[in-house]
Amino acid sequence: QVQLVHSGAEVKKPGASVKVSCKGSGYTFSAHYMNWVRQAPGQGLEWMGWINPSSGDTLYAQKFHGRVTMTRETSISTVYMELSSLSSDDTAVYYCALSLRAAADAFDIWGQGTMVTVSS
Amino acid sequence: DIQMTQFPSSLSPSVGDRVNITCRASQTIYIYLNWYQGKPGKAPKLLISAASRLQNGVPSRFSGSGSGTDFTLSISSLQPEDFATFYCQQSYSPPYTFGQGTKLEMK
Repeated sequence: QVQLVHSGAEVKKPGASVKVSCKGSGYTFSAHYMNWVRQAPGQGLEWMGWINPSSGDTLYAQKFHGRVTMTRETSISTVYMELSSLSSDDTAVYYCALSLRAAADAFDIWGQGTMVTVSS
Repeated sequence: DIQMTQFPSSLSPSVGDRVNITCRASQTIYIYLNWYQGKPGKAPKLLISAASRLQNGVPSRFSGSGSGTDFTLSISSLQPEDFATFYCQQSYSPPYTFGQGTKLEMK
């Protein structure tokens, strides 16, 4: 079945960087843009950007410009999201998500998420 | 950026009640409006795409309507498992913004 599997939880110090991975299976990896969405504790959902796994093209939300880098490794059907200059405001669950069969590019497939904690 | 405003931010309905949640976009998004259900410790679940298309496996008590800037998620007869937070999202133009969420809490 279609699955997105995240790397494990991370604890980072302020100012550090974190790199989260998301491995896809059960579908044609290069055919669907991968989005990244985060959710801080007790807060709502925030779209961070997407990567086209076929071309490597990316589009980032302005808020994260200069701090986020999304990459992919097609040979192992994995995308990565690296966030730098971390602060406590970046403590959140980070999800990869894609639109596989849904209309209007809605995100019908989600990974289980990676908890990133930023603490001194 | 397109701003998405949901209301109410919280509700305390009873099992069996009909619930309506409204989402308003700051500019027209046609029918590029999606609804998700969020529960603690779980990834969000897509309920409705393109304003009114029910996802496979989602109970028919959920429905969506609207176009342009005003949208509604309705739950016809609330069940115990429906107590959760619901988010709208526009997928018309990046950044694909979400509403702030509507939390259904048990009385």
